[in-house]
Amino acid sequence: AQSVTQLDSQVPVFEEAPVELRCNYSSSVSVYLFWYVQYPNQGLQLLLKYLSGSTLVESINGFEAEFNKSQTSFHLRKPSVHISDTAEYFCAVSEGPNNNDMRFGAGTRLTVKP
Amino acid sequence: EAGVVQSPRYKIIEKKQPVAFWCNPISGHNTLYWYRQNLGQGPELLIRYENEEAVDDSQLPKDRFSAERLKGVDSTLKIQPAELGDSAVYLCASSPGQGGGYGYTFGSGTRLTVV
Repeated sequence: AQSVTQLDSQVPVFEEAPVELRCNYSSSVSVYLFWYVQYPNQGLQLLLKYLSGSTLVESINGFEAEFNKSQTSFHLRKPSVHISDTAEYFCAVSEGPNNNDMRFGAGTRLTVKP
Repeated sequence: EAGVVQSPRYKIIEKKQPVAFWCNPISGHNTLYWYRQNLGQGPELLIRYENEEAVDDSQLPKDRFSAERLKGVDSTLKIQPAELGDSAVYLCASSPGQGGGYGYTFGSGTRLTVV
């Protein structure tokens, strides 16, 4: 079965600084990869996903993630963060088109300081 | 389009009492999930429905937890009796199909506190 490891439980950064949230997965088959964001007292919202094709995927609010098959990673990056990016970020994996089960990492709390 | 609707948002109960959570998925989404999210952790799958059929309930503690999805639309998750360790956020999600590429749409969750 697939699993996800988010290497940092908390990432504090200053506003306008770059950030990288790390995610590694394990799976014996091809995978689909996702990043979700959770704001306080809200459900999870899909931020971006990798299914196939270009290994670099982008979200509408400036985040991007790159699928690296050899390193089994799907790190999330943003070149300049805003206060409003403060949230919990979850990496998730599912095993391809015929498996709907999604496994989540433990989450990374991003805190953007002024 | 309305999102996934869950109620109640918050629930505080004494241990050994029963509790139920309700979820209304996005219209047309055949697949429905219940997840439990403990404090400081990622969501963990409890049960997955394809229409009205529970196709994966291997992680559901069946001695005290039950779920149903009558008519393949709304779903209810019940705990009876609740224990202190059941305190968590219970999340409902739905997706359009069985393939893994759709991603899920989550509701806002029900925060359960058992005292």
